[in-house]
Amino acid sequence: EDQVTQSPEALRLQEGESSSLNCSYTVSGLRGLFWYRQDPGKGPEFLFTLYSAGEEKEKERLKATLTKKESFLHITAPKPEDSATYLCAVQSVFTNKLIFGTGTLLAVQP
Amino acid sequence: EPEVTQTPSHQVTQMGQEVILRCVPISNHLYFYWYRQILGQKVEFLVSFYNNEISEKSEIFDDQFSVERPDGSNFTLKIRSTKLEDSAMYFCASKQGTYEQYFGPGTRLTVT
Repeated sequence: EDQVTQSPEALRLQEGESSSLNCSYTVSGLRGLFWYRQDPGKGPEFLFTLYSAGEEKEKERLKATLTKKESFLHITAPKPEDSATYLCAVQSVFTNKLIFGTGTLLAVQP
Repeated sequence: EPEVTQTPSHQVTQMGQEVILRCVPISNHLYFYWYRQILGQKVEFLVSFYNNEISEKSEIFDDQFSVERPDGSNFTLKIRSTKLEDSAMYFCASKQGTYEQYFGPGTRLTVT
């Protein structure tokens, strides 16, 4: 069964304190791994797609990496506006649906 | 920048009533989806729709649920007889092809 596990569940950082979020996955043939940001009461906002092990994507203070078993979302020198829940999702080659993890709730304090 | 829109933002209904949630996907997208998120839980897949028919559905998507694309722009989710456990955020998503899915802001459904 395809599944996604994210850790930690919650993370509190000081502004400027870099850290990483983890997404472990098992999937029967990976088509893509996706990172989304979700603010309270809002829909998931697309951040990155990773397709194969070794791939990396960057956007401002965020960098996503992918191995055959997990993905990391690295946050460099975070700001309070980076506070949100970060969701990881995978898509198998056999379906069109996304399988989501429970997310990591990130709080960045000034 | 094009975005997925959903109406209403919040719907309150009584148990047993029918509700229709509406979505306008991004205009050149071909694949359409409904997901739901019960408070504090994961985002869960309900159904995918392509070429005017359901392409995949989850076990949650039983006979009480239906989807329709009544015209070239709208995509709807109907729940025929709502239950308390249907209370959740419902998200519509769309994608162009083999790319990422873009989500709408959601409809909060409260069943009393």
